[in-house]
Amino acid sequence: AQSVTQLDSQVPVFEEAPVELRCNYSSSVSVYLFWYVQYPNQGLQLLLKYLSGSTLVKGINGFEAEFNKSQTYFHLRKPSVHISDTAEYFCAVSEYGSARQLTFGSGTQLTVLP
Amino acid sequence: GAVVSQHPSWVICKSGTSVKIECRSLDFQATTMFWYRQFPKQSLMLMATSNEGSKATYEQGVEKDKFLINHASLTLSTLTVTSAHPEDSSFYICSASVAGDSTDTQYFGPGTRLTVL
Repeated sequence: AQSVTQLDSQVPVFEEAPVELRCNYSSSVSVYLFWYVQYPNQGLQLLLKYLSGSTLVKGINGFEAEFNKSQTYFHLRKPSVHISDTAEYFCAVSEYGSARQLTFGSGTQLTVLP
Repeated sequence: GAVVSQHPSWVICKSGTSVKIECRSLDFQATTMFWYRQFPKQSLMLMATSNEGSKATYEQGVEKDKFLINHASLTLSTLTVTSAHPEDSSFYICSASVAGDSTDTQYFGPGTRLTVL
């Protein structure tokens, strides 16, 4: 079975500063990896996903993520954050052949300060 | 593309009543839909996996007689919370996978806030 660990429950950062949200995973088989964002009282929006190929994945809103298979991480980064990026971010993993079930991390609250 | 809607967005009901929540894929067909529950400041907990035309698969600890799931078409799944109690108050979110998409990407609805008085 797979598991996902988001290492930081809260990340405060000043506007226009870079940010990295960390996600480690474990699985005995190949996986797909996802980052979702959740704004207050809303559902989840897909930011980006890693399926195969290049280990640097670009997503929406200027976010990108680096997949490292040997160290089993999928960290999310943005070079310059905005106030509007304040939200909860979830990392998730799906194992090949898992009937599409996602396992979510516990989430990281990103708060962008003026 | 890949838009999922939920209705209602919020509902308040009395203890003992039943509440139905709809989840629709608006611009694609979804052979598989998922229902999650989210408590404040927590992650999503998968409740059940729903496949069109067949019975839902419930996660361990989820009462199938209390949380009735129907997936009658390729664009609609419903979750009915029967005899709701205050402890059922939560944020319920559905998601759907695009039929024929082997990448397992799930697209999420906006959620339904249920408050049981």
